[in-house]
Amino acid sequence: DAGITQSPRHKVTETGTPVTLRCHQTENHRYMYWYRQDPGHGLRLIHYSYGVKDTDKGEVSDGYSVSRSKTEDFLLTLESATSSQTSVYFCAIREDITGSPLHFGNGTRLTVT
Amino acid sequence: EDQVTQSPEALRLQEGESSSLNCSYTVSGLRGLFWYRQDPGKGPEFLFTLYSAGEEKEKERLKATLTKKESFLHITAPKPEDSATYLCALMMNTGFQKLVFGTGTRLLVSP
Repeated sequence: DAGITQSPRHKVTETGTPVTLRCHQTENHRYMYWYRQDPGHGLRLIHYSYGVKDTDKGEVSDGYSVSRSKTEDFLLTLESATSSQTSVYFCAIREDITGSPLHFGNGTRLTVT
Repeated sequence: EDQVTQSPEALRLQEGESSSLNCSYTVSGLRGLFWYRQDPGKGPEFLFTLYSAGEEKEKERLKATLTKKESFLHITAPKPEDSATYLCALMMNTGFQKLVFGTGTRLLVSP
């Protein structure tokens, strides 16, 4: 299994509160990604990182920010959680972008009440 | 717009009953296609990469094939442990970072 750890695995929070999800990898891969998975939708990209301090937006980035201060850690922050952000969040890593696949963590289930 | 459609949404098979899952797409330029397996409560697990029409990859009871418009995941003599959701994802010639995922096929194999 790819060495990816997501924390927490489950979280319940209230609308309007900030939330940070953590992804930690032991593979030393350059590329890291945050996706959300919702019923009826494919996995959708929130943000990605192509190196320490280098990040970019994905297709559903509104309301989310990310940070990567070390190769192994990629943080996703919901600045002010809303009910529409209730979802399962997956972190993924990738060795290169020319053809290697993404490898996923086991996700964080977030419920915003 | 790049699109991917997986069918059927759900499939129920008896153990040993072979079948195929479909991933059809309309994209401007395909660089590669990935197949993943996802178990409940887990992240997607990588199965195969296909790069060009005519290519085939096999692993145990699974075989993935690719044409210019679609990919198939053939499951031969499935077992209950093959029950999972199977996802396909497209990597385009432009924007390598941004894979386009299908919504998956939920496979249930009964003993």
